[in-house]
Formats: sequence, structure tokens, C-alpha cells
Amino acid sequence: NAGVMQNPRHLVRRRGQEARLRCSPMKGHSHVYWYRQLPEEGLKFMVYLQKENIIDESGMPKERFSAEFPKEGPSILRIQQVVRGDSAAYFCASQKNPNNEQFFGPGTRLTVL
Amino acid sequence: DQQVKQNSPSLSVQEGRISILNCDYTNSMFDYFLWYKKYPAEGPTFLISISSIKDKNEDGRFTVFLNKSAKHLSLHIVPSQPGDSAVYFCAASAAGGTSYGKLTFGQGTILTVHP
Repeated sequence: NAGVMQNPRHLVRRRGQEARLRCSPMKGHSHVYWYRQLPEEGLKFMVYLQKENIIDESGMPKERFSAEFPKEGPSILRIQQVVRGDSAAYFCASQKNPNNEQFFGPGTRLTVL
Repeated sequence: DQQVKQNSPSLSVQEGRISILNCDYTNSMFDYFLWYKKYPAEGPTFLISISSIKDKNEDGRFTVFLNKSAKHLSLHIVPSQPGDSAVYFCAASAAGGTSYGKLTFGQGTILTVHP
């Protein structure tokens, strides 16, 4: 059973471009979380999604950031018009149901030039 | 507003000795606590957890202690091994005693175990 997959592992964008980060949860998992880790800091919650629904987006910046988890395919975290402050490691975690632990993917390291 | 704090950025321990990693929290709504281990270029890996109805949970070499009145928890690793060298994150959840819900993480503690 493959673990949580994230791609790309590394993404370089220039200021003003768009970044798309993908997360494929573990098989059978329908809950996905996105976290962001800035340098020298812990992971910070961004958004919690179930299939086709955003459950909690209290950690998402109000502008430029969006997330989806369609019925088919991976969850996508989209950052429009990236700025240097968006440079960070973005981790997704999946969960089979609310009573189980979250399993983390290897992360996508975004660098904004 | 750092609701989960790991005040020691790093810890160095000799192989075979005990490693004690500490974590403090401020939000009294937290009722489930977890420890994750992270290697460079990898995602966090779950280690051990504890519900707020308990004060101790043990799994092999790893034991987590919870002191609710002090809002403090600690992770003990005995005996420490060089392969334990990693960043350790404390995390907390306020979701009715399960792992459900968003996790609030501490800043992490870098553990180095010397042979």
C-alpha cells in the first residue's frame, strides 16, 4: 500500500507565476490536510478537505490560495501570483476516517525567485 | 500566537542514555497530543500519541507523559539510538479525544544521539 504521494517534490517559480501542488492520499483515505512549514518553524495547518468538500480552511491565506479535492484525482493546492514569502515546504496528510492518525507525504518544497 | 511550544531547539544525548523532549501548550481545549519524527526531505512520521484522559502512554522505547494541570507533555526515549537522530515535533488537536482535526505543531526539537 503506497504512502501519501506528493508532486512535484521541488518546484521553482518566479514572482507572479502560479504554483500547483498535488497530493494523492493513501488508498482508501478520503480526508486530506495541507500544512505549510516555513524555515525554522513547525508545520502550520492550512486546509482540511474531504472528497469534493472543503471542511475547514481557517488556516488558508484569504487571497491567492485555493485548494480542492475532486471526486477523481489528487488534491490540489493552488497558489496564484506567488511571492517570495510563499517559499516553504508544503505537506499534505491523509486520514482514513476522523478516528485515525494522519499520514504525511514527503512534501513539496516551493522556491519563489 | 504559539499555542504549542517546544522551548529546546536541540538536544544532544549519548547512545544508550535517555532522551527527554519537552512540549508546553496554552490552549486548554486541546485533548489529544501526538509526537512526530521527521528526517530531512521527508514528511513527519507518527510516533506515539496520548489522549487527555490518560497521563502516560508507552510503546516500546517511547513513552509520552501528560501533565494536564501544567499543560506539559514529554517524550522519553530509552535507550536512545543513533537512528533516533531527527527533528521531533509535538502536536495537539482539539477534537473530542481522537486524532481527528487539524493539528497544531510545535517548532520542533533536533535530537542528536551520539554513538
